[in-house]
Amino acid sequence: NAGVTQTPKFRVLKTGQSMTLLCAQDMNHEYMYWYRQDPGMGLRLIHYSVGEGTTAKGEVPDGYNVSRLKKQNFLLGLESAAPSQTSVYFCASSYGRSTSYEQYFGPGTRLTVT
Amino acid sequence: KNQVEQSPQSLIILEGKNCTLQCNYTVSPFSNLRWYKQDTGRGPVSLTIMTFSENTKSNGRYTATLDADTKQSSLHITASQLSDSASYICVVRATAYNAGNNRKLIWGLGTSLAVNP
Repeated sequence: NAGVTQTPKFRVLKTGQSMTLLCAQDMNHEYMYWYRQDPGMGLRLIHYSVGEGTTAKGEVPDGYNVSRLKKQNFLLGLESAAPSQTSVYFCASSYGRSTSYEQYFGPGTRLTVT
Repeated sequence: KNQVEQSPQSLIILEGKNCTLQCNYTVSPFSNLRWYKQDTGRGPVSLTIMTFSENTKSNGRYTATLDADTKQSSLHITASQLSDSASYICVVRATAYNAGNNRKLIWGLGTSLAVNP
């Protein structure tokens, strides 16, 4: 099993450009999440999904959109990138909603917006 | 305000030595506490998940303790190895009180551990 994979690994965007980050998991997990990690701050939840076709906002959703058309995929979109979105983005998945279920993380996407 | 504070911010130890990392939290109401290991350039990997009733939990050379009364947790690493060099992050989950369970995972900033030969 590959676990959680993310593409691309690195990306440089100019302000105003758009892009989509792809997350895929092969563990048949119901829940999927997008986080960003910035220096001096803990991981912050952007959006999450509790199942195919559903999405919900996390702590810092502004400037991002998501879609979960297939259970195994969770896409994060930036419609008009801003320098404040320079960050490392992590996707994660978990089996269900029980508080004991651990989250499995992907390797991350390092995004720079100039 | 729900917060998770970790100490020390960074730590350097020699291979084979033991070390203890601290996590203090003010999250309430408390559901569980997790320790993650994050290697440089990688995503976090779960080490332990502890609920209110658990005082100690081990995962190989990693032992986590939890004192829910004082809202403190520690992660003890025994006989450190070079591969233990990483950031160790404490994450506290509050109980669900509204829609969106996962808005209530509060992440610490981590302790950066370097194990030198």
